[in-house]
Amino acid sequence: GDSVTQMEGPVTLSEEAFLTINCTYTATGYPSLFWYVQYPGEGLQLLLKATKADDKGSNKGFEATYRKETTSFHLEKGSVQVSDSAVYFCALSDSGTSYGKLTFGQGTILTVHP
Amino acid sequence: DTAVSQTPKYLVTQMGNDKSIKCEQNLGHDTMYWYKQDSKKFLKIMFSYNNKELIINETVPNRFSPKSPDKAHLNLHINSLELGDSAVYFCASSQDEGSNSPLHFGNGTRLTVT
Repeated sequence: GDSVTQMEGPVTLSEEAFLTINCTYTATGYPSLFWYVQYPGEGLQLLLKATKADDKGSNKGFEATYRKETTSFHLEKGSVQVSDSAVYFCALSDSGTSYGKLTFGQGTILTVHP
Repeated sequence: DTAVSQTPKYLVTQMGNDKSIKCEQNLGHDTMYWYKQDSKKFLKIMFSYNNKELIINETVPNRFSPKSPDKAHLNLHINSLELGDSAVYFCASSQDEGSNSPLHFGNGTRLTVT
């Protein structure tokens, strides 16, 4: 079945540090890939997405590239801020299963200190 | 002007009770979902409805019964609550059931069963 694996957290960084959160996936079809962010006490929000190989999703300084050859969708940001502290979820939606069913990774807690 | 709203935000109850969580979306979306987030932040889909019809039921105990009176509402009723039901339950919606439609999440209902 489909699965998503994220790097273990928590991740703690100083402000302006470089961020990478690794994400790899397995899927039977041609999935769309997503990063969602969950701020404390809130629901998940879509951060970025990519729907086919080599697409790059970007938003709010975050970016991730859909790498089919390595089945990866790593999240990066060049300079994090305290306000980026949140839980980040990698997810996929497999076109073979459709119906918008998302398979999530386990989430990575990011804490950014001033 | 909240897009996806759930009530209540917190729910504390005893084992054996029956409780309901309500969800409404004002985005005009066709598809709605219930997800369960456990204490380790892991998210798993429970149900999905498209235009009031059940399309995903992920081997959830039949103590959980979703009800969709119209496409803007998807309520979750839980009978005979158990300790293991303690979690955060998220409602979500998407434009349609396609795999590329991003999900819009509510802020969650934290259920605690004692």
